[in-house]
Amino acid sequence: QSALTQPASVSGSPGQSITISCTGTSSDVGGYNYVSWYQQHPGKAPKLMIYEVTTRPSGVPDRFSGSKSGNTASLTISGLQAEDEADYYCSSYTRSTTLVVFGGGTQLTVL
Amino acid sequence: EVQLVESGGGLVKPGGSLRLSCAASGFTFSNAWITWVRQAPGKGLEWVGRIKSKSDGGTTDYAAPVKGRFTISRDDSKNTLYLQMNSLETEDTALYYCTTGFCSGVTCHYDDAFDVWGQGTMVTVFS
Repeated sequence: QSALTQPASVSGSPGQSITISCTGTSSDVGGYNYVSWYQQHPGKAPKLMIYEVTTRPSGVPDRFSGSKSGNTASLTISGLQAEDEADYYCSSYTRSTTLVVFGGGTQLTVL
Repeated sequence: EVQLVESGGGLVKPGGSLRLSCAASGFTFSNAWITWVRQAPGKGLEWVGRIKSKSDGGTTDYAAPVKGRFTISRDDSKNTLYLQMNSLETEDTALYYCTTGFCSGVTCHYDDAFDVWGQGTMVTVFS
């Protein structure tokens, strides 16, 4: 069982918006503004999409946005495109010997 | 080009050992904190451990499942990171990635935002 809880799957049609949630505790998501989101296409390494809850690295489309409320972080993808179909993982810095915890991943299907 | 290239994966029996390498190029390796992340087949990402730069103490931290069995080290003269894995268990079967973060201004994100990843090296532990 992963430390952070994500829905196993979400889906949306091209052009629509979807939101993926990531629920942790006050020891990780709720305690730090160090939540990141990664996109992983099959057979590829993860790609950083969001860090520090809301910040997009250079080159990541502004269709991707992050937020946090209490112990739950969220990734929103607006204007869905076919190439957004991938697995998405959240992560958080945590107050434990395991410094970083990941979510179990969410499979995004673009219908 | 900033790059990390893992090697050393393979098949090993339970209780055996394996050493993975991660060769870095395109950035100042000696300043970077490097992390190992693994992914079991069909499963999610799992943080394994991290080593700081020597200038920041060179210390290591490990996830509970591997603590005492895995050791991370670095050779800055070779721009290479190592993961020595001992007493391997079937649960250690995974694709092992090395990854690192970045510094933006005076803030470094070595423990919370991994923006450079290798392609991974597969470790299979089976009897």
